[in-house]
Amino acid sequence: DAKTTQPTSMDCAEGRAANLPCNHSTISGNEYVYWYRQIHSQGPQYIIHGLKNNETNEMASLIITEDRKSSTLILPHATLRDTAVYYCIVVYSGAGSYQLTFGKGTKLSVIP
Amino acid sequence: NAGVMQNPRHLVRRRGQEARLRCSPMKGHSHVYWYRQLPEEGLKFMVYLQKENIIDESGMPKERFSAEFPKEGPSILRIQQVVRGDSAAYFCASSPQHLSSYNEQFFGPGTRLTVL
Repeated sequence: DAKTTQPTSMDCAEGRAANLPCNHSTISGNEYVYWYRQIHSQGPQYIIHGLKNNETNEMASLIITEDRKSSTLILPHATLRDTAVYYCIVVYSGAGSYQLTFGKGTKLSVIP
Repeated sequence: NAGVMQNPRHLVRRRGQEARLRCSPMKGHSHVYWYRQLPEEGLKFMVYLQKENIIDESGMPKERFSAEFPKEGPSILRIQQVVRGDSAAYFCASSPQHLSSYNEQFFGPGTRLTVL
């Protein structure tokens, strides 16, 4: 089971920031938050991950609340090519961790 | 550097036939993972392999499914005596090492299996 809760779908206007929330209220101290996306039935694509601190890379930013019970993935300037299903995944950081458990994700539609 | 390659991209089989799905990991990657995605569902982990070893097959159905990753050549996911319920997209992913601190896996384009 995914251990995360995400809205089923969201819309975002092209050029605006897309903010995708994720609840992971049962996350433990040694679990990371990962984000992947899947564009129209292609293979999933890694976006970003974090433990406690906010993270930023060339694709997105990840904001994790201080209590770590929720996070938000931010695509700063959404384009039509960002239309995809976005998966928030909690992953144990210790040895033996390699299974990615994908839930239903959030279907993001970027609208022209 | 080529990404993860999977073939065939589409495979049609009749009930009772065998399906063989191939996966070539990224260059330098020695860890392979197979996932299955049923229509309108998220991906489900099936098996994790290193060269010549099955590390974890806890997600594999008990019968008809097998996987290998030989010393030379691609990883193979084999489904014997396919049934309609095996129709799904099968994704392979690879990583450069078994990382204990993060799970950045690189996915292939998938093989779409249709069982008639």
